[in-house]
Amino acid sequence: QKEVEQDPGPLSVPEGAIVSLNCTYSNSAFQYFMWYRQYSRKGPELLMYTYSSGNKEDGRFTAQVDKSSKYISLFIRDSQPSDSATYLCAMQTAAGNKLTFGGGTRVLVKP
Amino acid sequence: GAVVSQHPSRVICKSGTSVKIECRSLDFQATTMFWYRQFPKQSLMLMATSNEGSKATYEQGVEKDKFLINHASLTLSTLTVTSAHPEDSSFYICSAGDGNFLNTEAFFGQGTRLTVV
Repeated sequence: QKEVEQDPGPLSVPEGAIVSLNCTYSNSAFQYFMWYRQYSRKGPELLMYTYSSGNKEDGRFTAQVDKSSKYISLFIRDSQPSDSATYLCAMQTAAGNKLTFGGGTRVLVKP
Repeated sequence: GAVVSQHPSRVICKSGTSVKIECRSLDFQATTMFWYRQFPKQSLMLMATSNEGSKATYEQGVEKDKFLINHASLTLSTLTVTSAHPEDSSFYICSAGDGNFLNTEAFFGQGTRLTVV
C-alpha cells in the first residue's frame, strides 16, 4: 500500500463547476500537507499548504485536512479552462524535510 | 516567489553517453536541493537529497554511481546520468530550499525531459 493515495482521474468538469480533489494517507506522522499544480512537461507549482487539521482558503482554492480520517481535500471554485492540469498532493512529517507525493489527479475543465 | 532554474529543459542522447542536468537557485542560497524523477502520468519519486558541500543522500533503489549528484555551491546542484540507457528516459525535476525550511518553501525547477536513444 502506498503511503499517499490519490485518484489519477481524469476528472472532467464544465467551466464554472467546483473541482473536488482528495488524497488519503497512512502515515499519522504527516503534519504538513501541500497541493501542487503541474502543467504538462513543467515542474510542480505550490498552490497551498496547511499545517495539521483544519481549513485554509486562498482565492478560489480551499484546502481541508482531516487528520482523524487521514484525508485531505482541495476544492477549486469557479473552475476555468486554465485550471486544467495535474494536481499533486504532498505531505511531510514535522521531523523530516522529505516530501511524499500522491500520484496526481489529472483535471480537465471544459469551456 | 523564489526562482529555481533547471537546464536543459530537454535533451536527447545516445545510449552509453552521460548527460548533466543543472539546477540553479537564482535569488536565494539553496543549502538543500532535491532531485526527483517522474515517469509519464506518474508522481514524483525522490531520488536523492543533496546538501551543499556534502555527499548526497540517495533513496533506496537509486544507484548513486549512475546518478551522480554534485552540490558544490549554494546556488548550483548538478545531476549527471552516467552511461545512460533507454530505461533512464524520464522527466527529472529538482527543487531547492534554503535549508531552514519546510518543503512548503521549496521551489521546483521546470524539469528536464531526458530521452535516451
